[in-house]
This record gives sequence, structure tokens and C-alpha cells, in this order.
Amino acid sequence: GAVVSQHPSWVICKSGTSVKIECRSLDFQATTMFWYRQFPKQSLMLMATSNEGSKATYEQGVEKDKFLINHASLTLSTLTVTSAHPEDSSFYICSAGLAGTGTGELFFGEGSRLTVL
Amino acid sequence: GENVEQHPSTLSVQEGDSAVIKCTYSDSASNYFPWYKQELGKRPQLIIDIRSNVGEKKDQRIAVTLNKTAKHFSLHITETQPEDSAVYFCAANTKGEKLTFGTGTRLTIIP
Repeated sequence: GAVVSQHPSWVICKSGTSVKIECRSLDFQATTMFWYRQFPKQSLMLMATSNEGSKATYEQGVEKDKFLINHASLTLSTLTVTSAHPEDSSFYICSAGLAGTGTGELFFGEGSRLTVL
Repeated sequence: GENVEQHPSTLSVQEGDSAVIKCTYSDSASNYFPWYKQELGKRPQLIIDIRSNVGEKKDQRIAVTLNKTAKHFSLHITETQPEDSAVYFCAANTKGEKLTFGTGTRLTIIP
């Protein structure tokens, strides 16, 4: 099946710094990728839809200036958490589908656990 | 937008018994309903999915049923085993590949 890889798998940073998380589709091209956030013992909440070559679409309540998304190629999307604060500590997961197939099936990255001190 | 509700939030069953998790959705345009299993600290793993043109699908001990009229779908796990213990999420698609997830069910299999 299709493989999606995320990096880093975990990161610890100081409050006020920025952190970049990468999401790569290893064996397929993804015109669209999705970024989710998952707090402990909660469900996956969609943050934004990353579109290759254009601006990301953010869900209601998600600050686009705080969570910068760049989808510069068909295999790479990045999420940058700017001026991170302890409340941003969470598990961030990306996903991508097989472009053009219309199957609806999504493939998830391993997730990135962010801890902000 | 789509709203997906999932019940129960926790479920404990004896090993060998069956487990059933139920979800409802709100958007009649949704046509893809996957179920994911997530172990602690790991990515969600697709275990089975169903599309709106099918009422039931089975894969060994796992089955999913869909009632489009009532807008609900269910996951059935038979002959449960300890390794089935995990958190299970249902989901429904909106606008193509975008998924809305249910709140999750923590399934515990009691040996």
C-alpha cells in the first residue's frame, strides 16, 4: 500500500520557538494532504487541508498564522507551529490519499509528538 | 459540515465474545466510511471500510454494516482476542477525501 512518512516522530521545544514537521508520501503523489491534531484520549481533529501549489484550507478555529502549512511538491507538506506554547503540545498526524483515484482511502503518517516546555 | 457520533466511548468484553461499536453521521452526501484502530502513541490503521453502495462488508473476524437511510454504520468484531484491545475510530468522508472522525471507543478485551 501507499506509505506516508512523518518527521520528526517527537520533538521537545521551548515556549516561543517554532517547530517544523514534515509529511512525505514515499511511493505516490499527493495533491492533497491533511493535518490532524490529537490530544490525549481524544479523537483526531482536522486542522487543515494542504493543497499542492496553493494555499492551505484551515478548519474553523485553527489559526492560519500560527500553524503554517506549505505544500511545495506532490510528495511533501510541512506544518510549522510558530511561537509554540505549552497548550500546543499534542500529537500531530498527517494523511494523504491517492490522487485521482477517488477511493477516499487515506494513509497516515507515523505522527509527531510535540512537547512545548 | 459533517458530524460523526460514536458509541460507546469504552467497551470491555470477555475474550472470545463479540464487540459492536456504532456510529451515526449527519451528511447524506457522505459515501465512504472507514474504521481505524489506533494503539497508544501510534498512527491510526485502517481495518475495514465500506462505501455507500454496499450494505455490509466482512473481512475474517471484522464486519461493518451500513444503513444509509438511518445514517448509521457499525463495526462488529467476533471471537475477540487480547490483541484487539485498542481505540477504534469511525469516520465519514465529506467533500471527497476529507474525513471527519468519531470520538473513539476504547475497547478492552478481558482474558
